[in-house]
Amino acid sequence: ETGVTQTPRHLVMGMTNKKSLKCEQHLGHNAMYWYKQSAKKPLELMFVYSLEERVENNSVPSRFSPECPNSSHLFLHLHTLQPEDSALYLCASSQGVAYSPLHFGNGTRLTVT
Amino acid sequence: KNEVEQSPQNLTAQEGEFITINCSYSVGISALHWLQQHPGGGIVSLFMLSSGKKKHGRLIATINIQEKHSSLHITASHPRDSAVYICAVMGDGGAQKLVFGQGTRLTINP
Repeated sequence: ETGVTQTPRHLVMGMTNKKSLKCEQHLGHNAMYWYKQSAKKPLELMFVYSLEERVENNSVPSRFSPECPNSSHLFLHLHTLQPEDSALYLCASSQGVAYSPLHFGNGTRLTVT
Repeated sequence: KNEVEQSPQNLTAQEGEFITINCSYSVGISALHWLQQHPGGGIVSLFMLSSGKKKHGRLIATINIQEKHSSLHITASHPRDSAVYICAVMGDGGAQKLVFGQGTRLTINP
């Protein structure tokens, strides 16, 4: 049990589909993150929410839409994705955004066909 | 050139060997993380350090701020240590400004 749970673990979707990734943390943290990990590339930050407010949007295309309804839940809504969006999407949480260790979920492996 | 460079990219060793993974960075940092990623994808934070040395079990992490370099050592390596080890540096913006290395894939053979 990592304290950060992501669902689903695997997702295959067509380019015209709409789907959502879910992340839930049970650690009492107040900051949550979405990261993207593509093959042979370093982890890339996508979004940061602190106290349920988005504080970072790292030039992510609008076909990715995050939602943070409360400090324990984070969603990533997906629509009209491209095959190059296929990657591992990782959620993380921390207590504050400054000088605090990250706790990661196991990720959702997304394949866009 | 990535702001965070790790070496080697791949490392294969026999059980029991002493392992060293290196991380060099080119930016000013407030802290450096070492992370472990197993084949299933999940990432575990091993260390967060800003100076000196930290030890946890068979793992040791060191950092030299002047040289912009950190090392992760594993003593008495075991097949269960097989994973990707990732170095990440935290800039002045805190955790939201983490910059990641590409990772070192470690395989320990029995």
